[in-house]
Parts: sequence; structure tokens; C-alpha cells
Amino acid sequence: RKEVEQDPGPFNVPEGATVAFNCTYSNSASQSFFWYRQDCRKEPKLLMSVYSSGNEDGRFTAQLNRASQYISLLIRDSKLSDSATYLCVVNMVDSSYKLIFGSGTRLLVRP
Amino acid sequence: DADVTQTPRNRITKTGKRIMLECSQTKGHDRMYWYRQDPGLGLRLIYYSFDVKDINKGEISDGYSVSRQAQAKFSLSLESAIPNQTALYFCATSDPGGTYNEQFFGPGTRLTVL
Repeated sequence: RKEVEQDPGPFNVPEGATVAFNCTYSNSASQSFFWYRQDCRKEPKLLMSVYSSGNEDGRFTAQLNRASQYISLLIRDSKLSDSATYLCVVNMVDSSYKLIFGSGTRLLVRP
Repeated sequence: DADVTQTPRNRITKTGKRIMLECSQTKGHDRMYWYRQDPGLGLRLIYYSFDVKDINKGEISDGYSVSRQAQAKFSLSLESAIPNQTALYFCATSDPGGTYNEQFFGPGTRLTVL
């Protein structure tokens, strides 16, 4: 079983749609959680950190459910520029350095 | 100018050749990392370094070696390249005092081993 699992997609949605991505992680001792965005053939960039209380940044909302070991990302009012791959990332508690990356969920926003 | 740079950006080589990928950063971060990315597998950690005198293996270090020449430079070598090392390679940095261990990535090196 992968340590961080994501639906690879692609999710193909029209502009203005709301889309949600889910991610599960296997190690209950995981400490920190993130969503990174990666454009085609480009480097990953931090989109947002994920807190137990949930957090929102404009059209993006991230949620963490520690009991279910589940992380979500909600994108409202999708824009064409949101088309990218979204990587779920977990920081393991036993190694402060180590980030475990999911394989990513691909989003395509069409006009 | 980019904070994390990688050279070369693209490289095609033959099986058995020695290859070096270089990474430089101007962020002043102590921690540096090398990852590879393969389709469907996500990023996997090859090596990491917390400072100039510190080198650690990641989950897939076999067939690779690294050198931390200075705080700003971290190079990855493939001593004898093989086709299954064809991948996209990323260097990253982080600040131990930074927020939540955010890592900053270079633009990547696309390596093809024939």
C-alpha cells in the first residue's frame, strides 16, 4: 500500500465548477500535511498547508481528518489557470525532513 | 533570477556513462534534497543533506551518489547510468527554521538514458 494515495484523475470540469480532491495516508503518526501544485513539466510549488481546523485561501479550502487519515482540497469557481496536477504531501513524524508525496491528481478545466 | 537552479535542464546519455546533475541555490537554506519523479509514482527522495558535512540516503539511493560542495551547491552523480534511471530529477531546499518544512524546488532536469 502506498503511504500517500490519490486518485490520479484526470478530473475534467468546466470553468466555474467546484471540484474536490481527496487523499489518504497510511501512517497515523504523520505530523504535517500540504497540497503542492505542479504544472506540466514544471517543478512542484506549495499551494497550501493543511491544518486540523481546516484552512481557506481564496477559492481553495483544505481539510484534514486525522481519525480517518484523510485530506481534502476543494477548489471553487474553477479557472482555466487551475489546470495542473495537485500533489498531496505528508511530513512523517519520525523524520523532520522527510516529505512523502502522493502521485498527484490531474485537473483539467475547460472553457 | 531563480532561487534554485539546476543544470543541465535536459540530458540524453548512453548506458554506462557517468553523469552529474548540479544544483545551486541562493535562498541561504541549509537543507538540500534530490528527488526523482516517474509517471504514476510521485516524487521519491534519493539523497538529502542538512549541511555541508551531512549526507543521508533517501529511499532510492542505489546507483546514485551526491556531493555537497558548499551550502549553496549539491550535485547528484550517476556513476554508470542505466535506462531505468530515465526520469525527471528535482533538487529542493528548505529552511530548518521555516514554516512547516516547506520545500522549494528547482526547475528540474530531464534525463534520458538510452
